Amino acid sequence: DAMVIQNPRYQVTQFGKPVTLSCSQTLNHNVMYWYQQKSSQAPKLLFHYYDKDFNNEADTPDNFQSRRPNTSFCFLDIRSPGLGDAAMYLCATSRVASGTNEQFFGPGTRLTVL
Amino acid sequence: EDQVTQSPEALRLQEGESSSLNCSYTVSGLRGLFWYRQDPGKGPEFLFTLYSAGEEKEKERLKATLTKKESFLHITAPKPEDSATYLCAVQPTGANSKLTFGKGITLSVRP
Repeated sequence: DAMVIQNPRYQVTQFGKPVTLSCSQTLNHNVMYWYQQKSSQAPKLLFHYYDKDFNNEADTPDNFQSRRPNTSFCFLDIRSPGLGDAAMYLCATSRVASGTNEQFFGPGTRLTVL
Repeated sequence: EDQVTQSPEALRLQEGESSSLNCSYTVSGLRGLFWYRQDPGKGPEFLFTLYSAGEEKEKERLKATLTKKESFLHITAPKPEDSATYLCAVQPTGANSKLTFGKGITLSVRP
């Protein structure tokens, strides 16, 4: 089945220790997104790639970076995690950015910062 | 600024007790309105897209409707397995437009 896969499902890191979360997709979608979701809150868009074009949200901290080496994979790097970065990180994909934007989500990575 | 407000924040139903979840939105122009289901500790699962006022879509016990200001997710004779958080999101018109999500409605269905 075509799907969005995130690894790991659970990640524990220490304050200030860099961490990388990964996302892969078999849907062959050209747009990939990273969201941050905290408890009982709406998903918050961090950035997205339209093909290779990177689009950063204005309020995304510099501490968050992303890489998309090819169509299938996308990475979220948190350079110096703080306690406030503990959250669920969701990867999503969609076929186009200019049409109606049904997004398909992965299972998420739960990040804990000690 | 686009806004999405979902109500109530939480809803507890008895199995078989039908009800509706509300999503009110403000957007300059609507390209699409989306409903997702999210189980605890998991990513959102796509349910429906609605494009224009008057449109309705159904899937099993769920029916989504759309007006110019709000959308409803009607749940008919719910079962405990329908317990989840239901998220609403809107996409405005315009190139490369992004989704704005509501905070969600947490539904609990008691057997």
